[in-house]
Amino acid sequence: DVQLLESGGGLVQPGESLRLSCAASGFTFSSYSMYWVRQAPGKGLEWVSVIASGGNGIYYADSVKGRFIIARDNSKNTLYLQMSSLRAEDTAVYYCAKEGVINYHYGIDVWGQGTTVTVS
Amino acid sequence: DIQMTQSPSSVSASVGDRVAITCRASQDISSWLAWYQQKPGKAPKLLISAASTLQGGVPSRFSGSGSGTDFTLTISSLQPEDFATYYCQQANTFPITFGQGTRLEIK
Repeated sequence: DVQLLESGGGLVQPGESLRLSCAASGFTFSSYSMYWVRQAPGKGLEWVSVIASGGNGIYYADSVKGRFIIARDNSKNTLYLQMSSLRAEDTAVYYCAKEGVINYHYGIDVWGQGTTVTVS
Repeated sequence: DIQMTQSPSSVSASVGDRVAITCRASQDISSWLAWYQQKPGKAPKLLISAASTLQGGVPSRFSGSGSGTDFTLTISSLQPEDFATYYCQQANTFPITFGQGTRLEIK
């Protein structure tokens, strides 16, 4: 089965750092761009960052640019999100997600179960 | 950034009803539009990609249409398991952006 399993969430104070991990299985991880998408409590979905299959193309939402770093280790089938200078508004469930079967134009076809980050 | 606007924000309907949710992009996104279903406490699920391509395993009562700036998700005959929140997402360019969501409730 295709699966994404996030870990690393927790409760931190404003200004602190946290690293999220996402272990992928059931598909050729190195062939796909990967995303982080977040959802604040009771709110909608917000795209955070994307990293291309080879790690060369990276984009960030303006809300996290300069504070978050996305990375991947294709030898370990793992995606990361290093979050620093955390703010209360970063409180959310963070989803690891995979681009659509052909490319990013085809949406996000696999999502993890999410990991909760609380900044307070 | 491309803004995505869904309407309505919420809708009440009964089992068996036909429901349409619309999504408007602030600029032309061709057919690069995806629809997701999200139930409370769960991750979103991709229903439709490229505006009208139904994902495997998604019931045929779901359909998508549109191109350019105006898109529609239609559920032809609501089933109890369809009551959820639905999001559109433009997949034309980064930053990808989502609509604010449409909550589909039981009448």
